[in-house]
Amino acid sequence: SSDLTQDPAVSVALGQTVMITCQGDSLKTYYASWYQQKTGQAPVVVMFGKDYRPSGIPDRISGSSSGDTAFLTITGAQAEDEADYYCCSRDTSGKRWVFGGGTKLAVL
Amino acid sequence: QGTLRESGPALVKSTQTLTLTCTFSGFSLSTSGTSVSWIRQPPGEALEWLARIGWDDEKYYSTSLKTRLSISKDTSKNQVVLTLTDLEAVDTATYYCARFPEPLGAFDMWGQGTMVTVSS
Repeated sequence: SSDLTQDPAVSVALGQTVMITCQGDSLKTYYASWYQQKTGQAPVVVMFGKDYRPSGIPDRISGSSSGDTAFLTITGAQAEDEADYYCCSRDTSGKRWVFGGGTKLAVL
Repeated sequence: QGTLRESGPALVKSTQTLTLTCTFSGFSLSTSGTSVSWIRQPPGEALEWLARIGWDDEKYYSTSLKTRLSISKDTSKNQVVLTLTDLEAVDTATYYCARFPEPLGAFDMWGQGTMVTVSS
């Protein structure tokens, strides 16, 4: 299968912890990367590989995986974390990439 | 660090062919392990990966669009060109190019995107 499945929307209270999930067969073989996209802006990578965070991304954002599911966790969510989050990985052929449907995160 | 910038027409007619250019700086597409992909996003919808070209000129295409897509590179000009034929209204989207270094396994640099509207 080439699909990555995400919950369409998630909300979190300010300062609380939220986990965004991404499920797909390709995640049994390939790591997910995660992208944050704010309104009107290009996506920005926030996590990749086993659990690597690009410089400049706050350490309250972390990633993990288990089996066919990848997780993006925001510990102590801030107002600026409100955005759409997309997971991505190679598909099962290894020659194409697939994005999840995106999760809209609301920080209340 | 580097940058990428997409360019092309903002409005095209259905059945026509779209040609988009990604001009980049700060890296070379002749560096082993480097590739550039095109990714699009219809208004209010999710990201969709379209095509990739690598340092070795190896090309991969979205299964659903492979008959309509073509990707090429001009290493001397630091450009990657995408063509999409037989345009339809559903091809209306913001089109992004992004760099993918194999050691990272992620799209680490993106252009700002170019919005393309297909009209009938």
